[in-house]
Amino acid sequence: KNQVEQSPQSLIILEGKNCTLQCNYTVSPFSNLRWYKQDTGRGPVSLTIMTFSENTKSNGRYTATLDADTKQSSLHITASQLSDSASYICVVIAASGGSYIPTFGRGTSLIVHP
Amino acid sequence: GAGVSQSPRYKVAKRGQDVALRCDPISGHVSLFWYQQALGQGPEFLTYFQNEAQLDKSGLPSDRFFAERPEGSVSTLKIQRTQQEDSAVYLCASSITSGNYNEQFFGPGTRLTVL
Repeated sequence: KNQVEQSPQSLIILEGKNCTLQCNYTVSPFSNLRWYKQDTGRGPVSLTIMTFSENTKSNGRYTATLDADTKQSSLHITASQLSDSASYICVVIAASGGSYIPTFGRGTSLIVHP
Repeated sequence: GAGVSQSPRYKVAKRGQDVALRCDPISGHVSLFWYQQALGQGPEFLTYFQNEAQLDKSGLPSDRFFAERPEGSVSTLKIQRTQQEDSAVYLCASSITSGNYNEQFFGPGTRLTVL
């Protein structure tokens, strides 16, 4: 069964600090991996999309890494801001012909304190 | 509109009632997706349309759930004889073309509470 596990479940950091969120997956056959930010009461917003051949991708203060061999990804947030407080969701897309098969993690809830 | 819109934003239903949730995707977007997100969980895939064709409905939890997109634009997710376990946020997303690599744009969701 395809699974995506995220850690930690929740994280509290001080404004200005860096943090790293983890994602481990067992999804096959792998197509791509995405990180989303979901503010409370809103839909997820895409941060990065990474294919098999990409090891790292940045989007402003967000940097995602992918190790397809160990099936691990991380999302690093630099110089955190209060507005970074949200749930961060890792999604892995399986390739199966023309079908779209996403497996979502449960998310990491990040709280940034002033 | 500028983004994906969903209506209603909140819906309270009595157990056994039928509900219909609407999604207006970004104009011109070919692909449309429905997800169910229970409290404290990540979204779970329900179904996927490419234009008016429903290509995958493997995530629909039961035959009480039905989705349609008759003209390849607006989509409706219908839940018949609602049960308490149907309480969740229902998210809709669209992407400009089909394919696994395209960015999806999510709506704000409809929060369904079944009493």
